[in-house]
Amino acid sequence: AQRVTQPEKLLSVFKGAPVELKCNYSYSGSPELFWYVQYSRQRLQLLLRHISRESIKGFTADLNKGETSFHLKKPFAQEEDSAMYYCALSGRGTYKYIFGTGTRLKVLA
Amino acid sequence: NAGVTQTPKFQVLKTGQSMTLQCAQDMNHNSMYWYRQDPGMGLRLIYYSASEGTTDKGEVPNGYNVSRLNKREFSLRLESAAPSQTSVYFCASSGGGRDEQYFGPGTRLTVT
Repeated sequence: AQRVTQPEKLLSVFKGAPVELKCNYSYSGSPELFWYVQYSRQRLQLLLRHISRESIKGFTADLNKGETSFHLKKPFAQEEDSAMYYCALSGRGTYKYIFGTGTRLKVLA
Repeated sequence: NAGVTQTPKFQVLKTGQSMTLQCAQDMNHNSMYWYRQDPGMGLRLIYYSASEGTTDKGEVPNGYNVSRLNKREFSLRLESAAPSQTSVYFCASSGGGRDEQYFGPGTRLTVT
């Protein structure tokens, strides 16, 4: 079954602390993985995708095919990182995304 | 460019009423999508349209119908609203395939 799992509904960290938002997936094939973010009162937007291998706003994510994971990391959290984060998967030859249930990140002052 | 627009922003319906949510995009995208967002459930795909003239069911299509009116517009219709359809509805568009999806601002629907 195709599935994206985000085990944490809520993650609270202090400003300056490292952050890791977990994402595991189940997919038979070569998926493309994404992280989308929804800041308060803003629409959902792409943060990063594994194929681009970029660092956006200090966030990085590495695709680990052996562990079927795509965890999102940032070494030093900022208050403006507080938002809802969704991991998503798109399979080859499909137009559909599969989203995880989301993790709300709260960065405390 | 406005990107993806949705109307209305808020709506309250009584059980059994019908309504249509409108979505339009000005990015010349081929693919359009309707999702619902519920607490603890994440984003679930209701219907999508890979290209103009085609529509397909997603994960939770029951109780909904869609129309891809033209390349720009993709509407979602609730024929007989039920309280279980209380949710936030998002429209999205993309160039297709694994391209980035661009989301609208959402419609908050309450069915009493």
